[in-house]
Amino acid sequence: AQSVSQHNHHVILSEAASLELGCNYSYGGTVNLFWYVQYPGQHLQLLLKYFSGDPLVKGIKGFEAEFIKSKFSFNLRKPSVQWSDTAEYFCAVNAGDSGGSYIPTFGRGTSLIVHP
Amino acid sequence: KAGVTQTPRYLIKTRGQQVTLSCSPISGHRSVSWYQQTPGQGLQFLFEYFSETQRNKGNFPGRFSGRQFSNSRSEMNVSTLELGDSALYLCASSLALGYNKNIQYFGAGTRLSVL
Repeated sequence: AQSVSQHNHHVILSEAASLELGCNYSYGGTVNLFWYVQYPGQHLQLLLKYFSGDPLVKGIKGFEAEFIKSKFSFNLRKPSVQWSDTAEYFCAVNAGDSGGSYIPTFGRGTSLIVHP
Repeated sequence: KAGVTQTPRYLIKTRGQQVTLSCSPISGHRSVSWYQQTPGQGLQFLFEYFSETQRNKGNFPGRFSGRQFSNSRSEMNVSTLELGDSALYLCASSLALGYNKNIQYFGAGTRLSVL
């Protein structure tokens, strides 16, 4: 069964600091990778996605992520965080088997607090 | 375009009761998936419906069931509620079925508390 690990459960940063959130998955085949963000009191929103092609993907609000196939990783980065980035961040993997079935799998989430 | 709408937003039930949650997908979306979100387990996939048929299922007991109507609206039912069923239940819709290059859009969720 596939799994997703987010190494940082809680991250606290000051504004303008750089951010990197780790995400590793366990699945050897073709994967679709996602980062979602959940702002306080709001619903899950897609931050960025990787389907194929350029392993460096850019998302909304200045976020980017790099897919490193050899490391089974899809880390999220932002050069300079803002107070408004305070939220919960989820890494997710979608991968199918030969029978066509799949189970979207999410990491446990990383709570990011940015101090002004 | 309206987003994914879930009703009700909050529910309080007692053990042993059953509950039905509703989800209206984004217009034109034919796939609806359900997730359970808890602090301990995170987001866990329950099942996915497409064209009124369950297409994928996660590892949840049979007390959790769902259905989809011809207009793509979906309902999720939990019977014989247990305290551990207290969670935020999220619905997500997407245009197509399948995992490849398919983006899901989430609703705000229904917060279920079981007393």
